Amino acid sequence: ETVLTQSPGILSLSPGERATLSCRASQSVGSSSLAWYQQKPGQAPWLLIYGASSRATGIPDRFSGSGSGTDFTLTISRLEPEDFAVYYCQQYGSSPITFGQGTRLEIK
Amino acid sequence: EVQLEESGGGVVRPGGSLRLSCAASGFNFDDYGMSWVRQAPGKGLEWVSGINWNGGSTGYADSVKGRFTISRDGAKNSLYLQMHSLRVDDTALYFCARYDRSGFYSNHYYMDVWGKGTTVTVSS
Repeated sequence: ETVLTQSPGILSLSPGERATLSCRASQSVGSSSLAWYQQKPGQAPWLLIYGASSRATGIPDRFSGSGSGTDFTLTISRLEPEDFAVYYCQQYGSSPITFGQGTRLEIK
Repeated sequence: EVQLEESGGGVVRPGGSLRLSCAASGFNFDDYGMSWVRQAPGKGLEWVSGINWNGGSTGYADSVKGRFTISRDGAKNSLYLQMHSLRVDDTALYFCARYDRSGFYSNHYYMDVWGKGTTVTVSS
């Protein structure tokens, strides 16, 4: 199975700053089949990005995804207070689907 | 409004069985693949199982293969997860999630709609 490793585990930033989250795969992710989700406490995950770089419906353009092969990045250009949450990457190019362990984005 | 509502969670002894259900509404259920994803307390997300639009293709995580069975009933707009031989490490919040429509043929895709989850606790 494809193991996804996210870094950093915890990212401490202030509103207005830029956030860069990394997701590295143990093998190439076919067809850039990588998604990003945001999860807030007590809530279900929310789809942000699919196909490595396509924003889901209704997602603000401050969220962007990039990468291919084994290295992927989620960038939040200017952090808003509501962006502080846990972020997960997920590969769906091969079965079984796997998730990264998550990056917690916290207010500094 | 597109909605997924899970039910069937509860407390069960190790070795026991449980059947989870997910009621879908607000969309044409037969056009979408579906999945179950779980989250142990304080932990990350783990994909459990997925099924394509017509039930002809299913997939499972190694951790549940041979113990869990996913199925769907289009007439009832419902997804199911039959769980047998439950273990303490199956304790988690179980989410039902819809695959994006472009992946209708697949049992592994990205999820665009999620339910709120149902809690399964396996304890003696």
